[in-house]
Amino acid sequence: EAGVAQSPRYKIIEKRQSVAFWCNPISGHATLYWYQQILGQGPKLLIQFQNNGVVDDSQLPKDRFSAERLKGVDSTLKIQPAKLEDSAVYLCASSLASGSWGTGELFFGEGSRLTVL
Amino acid sequence: AQTVTQSQPEMSVQEAETVTLSCTYDTSENNYYLFWYKQPPSRQMILVIRQEAYKQQNATENRFSVNFQKAAKSFSLKISDSQLGDTAMYFCAFMKQHTGNQFYFGTGTSLTVIP
Repeated sequence: EAGVAQSPRYKIIEKRQSVAFWCNPISGHATLYWYQQILGQGPKLLIQFQNNGVVDDSQLPKDRFSAERLKGVDSTLKIQPAKLEDSAVYLCASSLASGSWGTGELFFGEGSRLTVL
Repeated sequence: AQTVTQSQPEMSVQEAETVTLSCTYDTSENNYYLFWYKQPPSRQMILVIRQEAYKQQNATENRFSVNFQKAAKSFSLKISDSQLGDTAMYFCAFMKQHTGNQFYFGTGTSLTVIP
C-alpha cells in the first residue's frame, strides 16, 4: 500500500517569496491534515479536511497561508508571503476515519522542510 | 480546549533496559483516544500504540505498553528491552472523537538508547 506522498522534501526561499507544498494521501482516506512542526516542538494543526470540506482551520494564519483539497483527494498548502518564522517542517497526514467512531490512526508523510532566509 | 503535556524533553536509557515516558492531558471529553507516535531522525512519524479511553485495560504492543490512568489524565509509555532503533522523538497525542477526529500533540520527548 502506497503511503502519504509529499513534495518537495526540501525548499529554501527568501522571505516575502511564496511556496507551495503538495500532499497525496493514502487512497480512500477521507481525512487529511496539514501540520506545522517547528524544530523542537510538537506538530501544530494548521488545517483539517474531511473529503473536500474544511473541518478545522482555526490555527491557520489566513493572511498568508491557504490550503485546498480539490475533489477530496490530494491537497496543496501555500504560503504567500513567507516570513522567517515559517521555517518548519510541514507534515501531511491522512486518516481512514470519518465520523465519530473511527479508530483515528494518522498516517504521516515524510514532510516538507521549509527554510526561509 | 485540549492540552497534552510531556514534561521530559530528553531521556536516555541503556540498551536492553526499560524506560518510561510521561504524558498528561487535560480534557472535559469522555470519549477519546490516546496515542504514542514515534518520529525517528529524518524519518516519518509512525504509530507506536493506541488506547481507547473507554477501555480500562492498558494497551500493549510487543515491547511497548502504556499505563493509562483516566482519572488522573495520565498516559505513560513503557519501553521494555530498549533497542538502538528505539532512538527517536516520541509524541503523545490526544484525539477527540468528534465529527472531525481532531488531534492534539504534546511537545515530544527525545529518547536516546545508549549502546
